[in-house]
Amino acid sequence: SAVISQKPSRDICQRGTSLTIQCQVDSQVTMMFWYRQQPGQSLTLIATANQGSEATYESGFVIDKFPISRPNLTFSTLTVSNMSPEDSSIYLCSVGGRFQNTEAFFGQGTRLTVV
Amino acid sequence: QKEVEQDPGPLSVPEGAIVSLNCTYSNSAFQYFMWYRQYSRKGPELLMYTYSSGNKEDGRFTAQVDKSSKYISLFIRDSQPSDSATYLCAMSDRDDKIIFGKGTRLHILP
Repeated sequence: SAVISQKPSRDICQRGTSLTIQCQVDSQVTMMFWYRQQPGQSLTLIATANQGSEATYESGFVIDKFPISRPNLTFSTLTVSNMSPEDSSIYLCSVGGRFQNTEAFFGQGTRLTVV
Repeated sequence: QKEVEQDPGPLSVPEGAIVSLNCTYSNSAFQYFMWYRQYSRKGPELLMYTYSSGNKEDGRFTAQVDKSSKYISLFIRDSQPSDSATYLCAMSDRDDKIIFGKGTRLHILP
């Protein structure tokens, strides 16, 4: 199994500001995934981060709002830009699952509150 | 019809009881089925991972997949207060994204 470290674990931010969430994996992986978990809702895939190429965003998510970096095979960042209270959620980094015959593993999540 | 349906609960059962958690789905292409446990303020933790139909057992946990009925289950035997958490079902067809249920909140009463 993969060990995924995510930080910060939580933050309270002012509306209009941006927050960058970091995700570190203990092994090299081709793809990393970013999810959002809103209260009472299922996990929703935001984007897939591939090393050396642009991230692939799911319907309803755009690069200007959620820019992603993937500088190497063990690290990725997700930025939540120009935040509003609607962005208050848990953001999760994940590896495995898609395109691979392996299960998906998750970081501990970043609990974001926008005030 | 949503792709994955899961009763949100909460489900409260006495300690020692057998717990049954279920999900139904609509996409017959799903081949990989997973159950995650998520404690409050933590990320999802993989409990069971099953490919195609059948049963899989791991300690007190048993996962069942019935592809003909598009129905999956997780059974917890000898439930403990430490099993109190939200349980998420998830499924995929390998090359497409994983689809999650909304989760069932489980409370084991001492």
